[in-house]
Amino acid sequence: NAGVIQTPRHKVTGKGQEATLWCEPISGHSAVFWYRQTIVQGLEFLTYFRNQAPIDDSGMPKERFSAQMPNQSHSTLKIQSTQPQDSAVYLCASSLGGGQNTLYFGAGTRLSVL
Amino acid sequence: AQSVTQPDARVTVSEGASLQLRCKYSYSATPYLFWYVQYPRQGLQLLLKYYSGDPVVQGVNGFEAEFSKSDSSFHLRKASVHWSDSAVYFCAVGLGYKLTFGTGTSLLVDP
Repeated sequence: NAGVIQTPRHKVTGKGQEATLWCEPISGHSAVFWYRQTIVQGLEFLTYFRNQAPIDDSGMPKERFSAQMPNQSHSTLKIQSTQPQDSAVYLCASSLGGGQNTLYFGAGTRLSVL
Repeated sequence: AQSVTQPDARVTVSEGASLQLRCKYSYSATPYLFWYVQYPRQGLQLLLKYYSGDPVVQGVNGFEAEFSKSDSSFHLRKASVHWSDSAVYFCAVGLGYKLTFGTGTSLLVDP
C-alpha cells in the first residue's frame, strides 16, 4: 500500500498561471479530502468527495478554485490565475468512509506562486 | 463558535524527559478527538483518536492522551521522549466528516 500519492511535490507558477494538483487516494477508500496548509491560517478544509461525488466544497474559494474526482483513483485541484496568496502546501487525504474514520494524508504539494 | 486551541506554539524538552502537549476544544456536542503528527516534508499521520470509553487512550510510539469533558481538553502525553519525536503535533476535532485542526505545536527534543 503506497498510501496517498500527491503529485507534483513542488510546483512553481507565475502569477496568473494555472496550477493543477493531483491526488491518488488509497485504493478502496471512498472519501477524499483536500486541505490547505499555511503558516498563517494553519490547516484549512477545502473540499470533500464521497464515492467520487462532491459533498462539501464550503472551504473552496469561490473564484479560481475547482476540484474534481473523475474516477475513484484520482482527484484534482485546479487553481486558475494563481496569485501569491495561493502559495501554500495543499494536502490530500483519503479515508474508508465519510464518518470519523481515520484520514490518511499524502505528503502534500507545495505551491509557490511568484 | 466551535474551535480548537493549542496554546503552545513551540515546546522544547530534553531527550528522556516527559512531555505534555495541550489541546482545548469548544464544541456544542462531544466530538471525535484526534492527535496527528507531521514530520518535515511529510503529510500528517494519526497518533491516536478518541470518541468514548476510557478517557485515557493509547496511541503509537508510546503516546497517550486523556480526554476531560469537564475541562474540554484532550492533552497528549509521553513518558519519555526521543529525539525522533521532534515534529509538529496537531490536535483535531471532528463532527461528521469534517476535521478542524488546531494551529499545531512544534516539538523540539534536545538530544
